[in-house]
This record gives sequence, structure tokens and C-alpha cells, in this order.
Amino acid sequence: TQLLEQSPQFLSIQEGENLTVYCNSSSVFSSLQWYRQEPGEGPVLLVTVVTGGEVKKLKRLTFQFGDARKDSSLHITAAQPGDTGLYLCAGVNYGGSQGNLIFGKGTKLSVKP
Amino acid sequence: DTGVSQDPRHKITKRGQNVTFRCDPISEHNRLYWYRQTLGQGPEFLTYFQNEAQLEKSRLLSDRFSAERPKGSFSTLEIQRTEQGDSAMYLCASSLALTEALNYGYTFGSGTRLTVV
Repeated sequence: TQLLEQSPQFLSIQEGENLTVYCNSSSVFSSLQWYRQEPGEGPVLLVTVVTGGEVKKLKRLTFQFGDARKDSSLHITAAQPGDTGLYLCAGVNYGGSQGNLIFGKGTKLSVKP
Repeated sequence: DTGVSQDPRHKITKRGQNVTFRCDPISEHNRLYWYRQTLGQGPEFLTYFQNEAQLEKSRLLSDRFSAERPKGSFSTLEIQRTEQGDSAMYLCASSLALTEALNYGYTFGSGTRLTVV
């Protein structure tokens, strides 16, 4: 069974601080995706990473895929209250699983003004 | 296209009743997924359709659950004889072919929040 472990589970910081969220697995994935979810809504895609060692930037968010394609990180610079939400990493593979996403439990981020 | 639509947004039902949820995916997406999310957890895979064919079912999908996608467009998820443990957010997602999904992700609906009392 493929599992994704996210850490930390909860994060409460002040506006302007930096933070990193980690997503780790013992399994290799074809792609790792990061989603953000607001209360009462479905997850919204932030980024997908598919190549080992890949780094993608989305404004103040930097995503990295591990060289072995087993782990990923999300770094937010100068967090703002609008970044508050549940951040989910999800892995997906070719074949076998038919492409269904395997999610971590999420990191609940609260950014205080 | 307005994205993935789910209906209803909220459903409160008494234990033992049957409920049905609907999902309308993005029109050109041929792959449709159902997930369940309980409080404090990430979404868990339930089942997957490619066009009208149901190609995979999770062990979470007990025999009280049934899903259909009759014409390869919208899908329904029915839960019979609901139990309190069925209370959760039920999410639908759609995507293009697998290679596109790996690169461009999946589009989720806003979910149906089920409360069994």
C-alpha cells in the first residue's frame, strides 16, 4: 500500500514568516501534486511535479520533487493571511492504480495578521 | 464550462435511509473519480470511471455503495441503509487522459457534505 506522510499536521504562524511543508513516502510516484482546500470546498490544484529534482515556483510558493520521486516539499515565503488553508499532497502512478490520487492527511496552515 | 458540479452541497439523513449524490464533470473529461473525506483526513479514493466503465473500486466501497456513469457524462453515487460512519464529505473529480492528469492535475467539485443522524 502506498502512503504519503505530511508534516507538520498543523502550523500556526504570523504574517510575514516563512514555512515549509513536507510530504514523504517510501514509494516512487510518477507525479506528485499539491492542492489547497478551503473549509467546505473541494481541493484546488496548485502544482504538479513529474521529474525527479524538479523545482516549480508559483509566486511566493516553491515546490520541489525529490530526486528519487518519493518526496516533495512546499515552501511559502512571507506568508499572508490569505494563505490560510489545508495543504494536501497527492501522488499518482501510471498503470495498476488507474491514476487515482493517493493523498496525505494534509497540513492545516493558519497565518495570523 | 463551469468546472465540476456536485449536487446537493449538503445532505442530512436519518440512519437507514438511502441517499444519492450527483456529479457533473467537465464535459471533455472522460475520467471521473469519487473520493470520501472525513474530518482531519485527506480524501480517500472510492471508485473510478473511464467513460461509462467503472474500472476500479476501493475496498472502502462496501456493498451498500453503488456508483454509475450511464452515458459517460454525469455520475451518481448511492449509499443504501446509511450508517453514522458514512458521514463525510463526498468529492468528485474529473480529468483528461492519464498522461494529461499526471501533468495537469485533477479538477475537484465542491463536494457533498453528508451527515447521518
